[in-house]
Amino acid sequence: GESVGLHLPTLSVQEGDNSIINCAYSNSASDYFIWYKQESGKGPQFIIDIRSNMDKRQGQRVTVLLNKTVKHLSLQIAATQPGDSAVYFCAENSGGSNYKLTFGKGTLLTVNP
Amino acid sequence: DVKVTQSSRYLVKRTGEKVFLECVQDMDHENMFWYRQDPGLGLRLIYFSYDVKMKEKGDIPEGYSVSREKKERFSLILESASTNQTSMYLCASSAFGTSGKYTGELFFGEGSRLTVL
Repeated sequence: GESVGLHLPTLSVQEGDNSIINCAYSNSASDYFIWYKQESGKGPQFIIDIRSNMDKRQGQRVTVLLNKTVKHLSLQIAATQPGDSAVYFCAENSGGSNYKLTFGKGTLLTVNP
Repeated sequence: DVKVTQSSRYLVKRTGEKVFLECVQDMDHENMFWYRQDPGLGLRLIYFSYDVKMKEKGDIPEGYSVSREKKERFSLILESASTNQTSMYLCASSAFGTSGKYTGELFFGEGSRLTVL
């Protein structure tokens, strides 16, 4: 069945370091992927997305890499800041007109000052 | 900015009570979703709706029902609340994808934390 998983449930980094959060997906038909950030007490917020016809996409301090060969997705955060502390979810859309997303279980990122 | 508003941030109910969770979005989105979020389990889809009066079961619909009488409003109903329905409930909306430009991004509300005693 469809599933989205994370390699690391928790990640602790020092302020200023780069962070890498990984995600594995199992549905080879998935054509669109999103990373969400969820701060404590808030709903998930969109960070960055990538379509399956791309292998890399950059935003402000964030980069998403997609490796379709091994069905792996990663989120890189440059110069991690305390405000980046949150739970990060990857999500995949396996297509269909209703665009139902399947979410991973999340990784808790903690940034130490 | 897209705004998804959930009517209650915190609710405490007793076992057997009927519970209504309301969600309103202001971006004329066709799709609306209800998820529940539990530690270690991530976000699980309960129900979704892609049009007024239309609904489809998600991954965990048991014990829940929904109502979509107006495009902007999607309600989640617990007919008889049970303790295992204690959770964070998240509403989300998205636009319907009819062209290659649309992606499927969900816009979430702030969540409703329900405790059933």
